[in-house]
Amino acid sequence: GENVEQHPSTLSVQEGDSAVIKCTYSDSASNYFPWYKQELGKRPQLIIDIRSNVGEKKDQRIAVTLNKTAKHFSLHITETQPEDSAVYFCAARFTDKLIFGTGTRLQVFP
Amino acid sequence: DTEVTQTPKHLVMGMTNKKSLKCEQHMGHRAMYWYKQKAKKPPELMFVYSYEKLSINESVPSRFSPECPNSSLLNLHLHALQPEDSALYLCASSQLGADTQYFGPGTRLTVL
Repeated sequence: GENVEQHPSTLSVQEGDSAVIKCTYSDSASNYFPWYKQELGKRPQLIIDIRSNVGEKKDQRIAVTLNKTAKHFSLHITETQPEDSAVYFCAARFTDKLIFGTGTRLQVFP
Repeated sequence: DTEVTQTPKHLVMGMTNKKSLKCEQHMGHRAMYWYKQKAKKPPELMFVYSYEKLSINESVPSRFSPECPNSSLLNLHLHALQPEDSALYLCASSQLGADTQYFGPGTRLTVL
């Protein structure tokens, strides 16, 4: 069935370090993979997304990579800052809906 | 306007009450969504509307009744809810046939 696995569930890094969050999906037909950041009590906000015809996409300190053969994609945050602390959700599109991963709580310590 | 709005922000209701959640977007999106999010969990899809017609119902109990009066508005009518229905209810919208979904701020619902 439709499934997105996300690891790790929690991640603690020192300010300035890099953070990597990984997701795998079950349906090889999935073609769209967004990442959302959700701060406590706030809405999920799209931070970056990638489509299946692209292997990598960057936006300043954030990058996403996609390996269609292995059915996994990853979020990379470089030079982390305390304001990057939040819960991050990956998602994959299955037909007309998004299926979300279970989330990663990122804590960036000053 | 690139925002999805939701009212109310907070709602407390008893199990015998009837209430409604409202969602509005003015981005010209023709797909609108209701999600339920419990603490420390991902958003869970409830309903999808495409061109104001219900296209997906994820086997949601009938005590939740969605309505899409027009292309900008989405309602969720609540009746005879249970305490386990307490959650953050999120609305989202997207261009029809496109992938990017934009979320509203949510309504924090507490059922007593």
